[in-house]
Amino acid sequence: EVQVVESGGGLVQTGGSLRLSCAASGFTVSNYEMNWVRQAPGKGLEWVSYLSSSGTTIFYADSVKGRFTISRDNAKNSLYLQMNSLRAEDTAIYYCTRGWMATWGQGTLVTVSS
Amino acid sequence: DVVMTQSPLSLPVTLGQPASISCRSSQSLVHSDGNTYLNWFQQRPGQSPRRLIYKVSNRDSGVPDRFSGSGSGTDFTLKISRVEAEDVGVYYCMQATHWPRVFGGGTKVEIK
Repeated sequence: EVQVVESGGGLVQTGGSLRLSCAASGFTVSNYEMNWVRQAPGKGLEWVSYLSSSGTTIFYADSVKGRFTISRDNAKNSLYLQMNSLRAEDTAIYYCTRGWMATWGQGTLVTVSS
Repeated sequence: DVVMTQSPLSLPVTLGQPASISCRSSQSLVHSDGNTYLNWFQQRPGQSPRRLIYKVSNRDSGVPDRFSGSGSGTDFTLKISRVEAEDVGVYYCMQATHWPRVFGGGTKVEIK
């Protein structure tokens, strides 16, 4: 079964850092485009970042550019999102998605508070 | 950036009746490769989003055929032929033609 499971969320202070993980099963992460999408409490969906299957093309939303870094570990079949200089407006559930967003995880909640 | 505008914001529907959601983009979603990358997602209460439709009108595996997508250029529609109780939730369109990817603001479908 194709599945992605996010982890690493939690409560962090403004200006702090977190690294989110997305463990894939049933498929090989390096064979697929991957995205991170977030959803602030009670709000809509916001695309955050993209990593191509080749690993050579990366995009970020302007709201996170320069602060977040997407990466993957082929040996661990996992995708990551390193989040630095966190702000209150980064508070959200973060979802890992496979391909053209056909597969979503359950999400991991990040709360940024002073 | 492309702006995706959904309407209505809220859609109360009687069980068994049809429902229609509109999604308009601020620029054409026709890609240089000739495809139009407009997707629809459903998010039921308390659940993760689920893709229903990709490339305007292609239903994902397991999606009931009462869901259909149509449109072209900048104007797209998601239709539910006969609403069932399990269809309650928020529906989002999303364009994947241009960077950055952009979602519509969502349409909440509820039962009257």
